[in-house]
Amino acid sequence: DAKTTQPNSMESNEEEPVHLPCNHSTISGTDYIHWYRQLPSQGPEYVIHGLTSNVNNRMASLAIAEDRKSSTLILHRATLRDAAVYYCIPLNSGAGSYQLTFGKGTKLSVIP
Amino acid sequence: NAGVTQTPKFRILKIGQSMTLQCAQDMNHNYMYWYRQDPGMGLKLIYYSVGAGITDKGEVPNGYNVSRSTTEDFPLRLELAAPSQTSVYFCASSYSFYEQYFGPGTRLTVT
Repeated sequence: DAKTTQPNSMESNEEEPVHLPCNHSTISGTDYIHWYRQLPSQGPEYVIHGLTSNVNNRMASLAIAEDRKSSTLILHRATLRDAAVYYCIPLNSGAGSYQLTFGKGTKLSVIP
Repeated sequence: NAGVTQTPKFRILKIGQSMTLQCAQDMNHNYMYWYRQDPGMGLKLIYYSVGAGITDKGEVPNGYNVSRSTTEDFPLRLELAAPSQTSVYFCASSYSFYEQYFGPGTRLTVT
């Protein structure tokens, strides 16, 4: 399994953009990069995923480095509701069970 | 759609007792999962199922059992509860590779 490295914590001001980095230098060619987040006292919530190209959805954008050894989750305007732990998870598209392997993630604090 | 539901929300067990954590989904997902989360840590996979009648072990299966007789339900059984099983338990389901939907969790304390 590919290993990931994320900062333990980050802070952002409300309504500012936030860039959450993730290093995954051992990622394989068939590993997609998934991001989930977990709000306090809730179950994880899917945010976005990608393989090689940058991806956008209503929640966030995902920028993937050309060598795929790192990626950045971008929240365009942080709100208080975005305060959560963010997990970067490589997931092999060929795996039969799609098991997610969670590390400790990055705890994002949003300052009003 | 209710999504993924879990019962109970909270439970306190005495050492050696047994219980079943219930999980149900109404999205007709083939894949279902049980995770546990210890304080300050990420989630760890206990068991998973790729369809009715098919289950397999995850990273931390010891002390647990599962069954999957229907697409909708995936109960987790704890036999002979131990303090090390104090944790928050999350059930999840997915249609395929792209997005897992998680339930609200069951907070279990074994004393």
